[in-house]
Amino acid sequence: EAGVVQSPRYKIIEKKQPVAFWCNPISGHNTLYWYRQNLGQGPELLIRYENEEAVDDSQLPKDRFSAERLKGVDSTLKIQPAELGDSAVYLCASSSTGTNTEAFFGQGTRLTVV
Amino acid sequence: AQKITQTQPGMFVQEKEAVTLDCTYDTSDQSYGLFWYKQPSSGEMIFLIYQGSYDEQNATEGRYSLNFQKARKSANLVISASQLGDSAMYFCAMREWDFGNEKLTFGTGTRLTIIP
Repeated sequence: EAGVVQSPRYKIIEKKQPVAFWCNPISGHNTLYWYRQNLGQGPELLIRYENEEAVDDSQLPKDRFSAERLKGVDSTLKIQPAELGDSAVYLCASSSTGTNTEAFFGQGTRLTVV
Repeated sequence: AQKITQTQPGMFVQEKEAVTLDCTYDTSDQSYGLFWYKQPSSGEMIFLIYQGSYDEQNATEGRYSLNFQKARKSANLVISASQLGDSAMYFCAMREWDFGNEKLTFGTGTRLTIIP
């Protein structure tokens, strides 16, 4: 079974440019998370989806970040315009419904804003 | 207040020795779950072990065990017979539910280095 797939793996952009990340979760997983991980830190939740509904986006900087999960499967996370402080690894994870189900993570997208 | 606290930024351990990575948590919920993840230098987050708040037995998965002390709100990871491949970042995480909304929160991690 394929794991969580993210693309691209690496992205370098100039500040003020837009950027988008794509995530394909594990088949059948209803819950999808986007996390941001700064260097030397733990992942911090940006947004969580249950199927196609964003149920927790309280940590998403909505002035420049947006996300969607059409049809409750794939998801995209967009930043427009990017700032230097957005440089980080963006992790996508998915899990099935249940109290003891672990979240499976993709390999992440390492974003560098110059 | 931090939900998950990992007080050891880095640890060096001799190969084949056991190692304990500390994790304390803060929640007022009765039902919650605790997870440990490993993150090698390649970047992926690898699930290691899970402990539910109602589980009376400490969780074990191969060389990994979770020392769960509910009253102290601690969930330390124990790795027995450490190997060079155990060198990585280790994150403790907690899943809790807030008015039906699930939250999965991570600590800041511990960098473990196994010395040959």
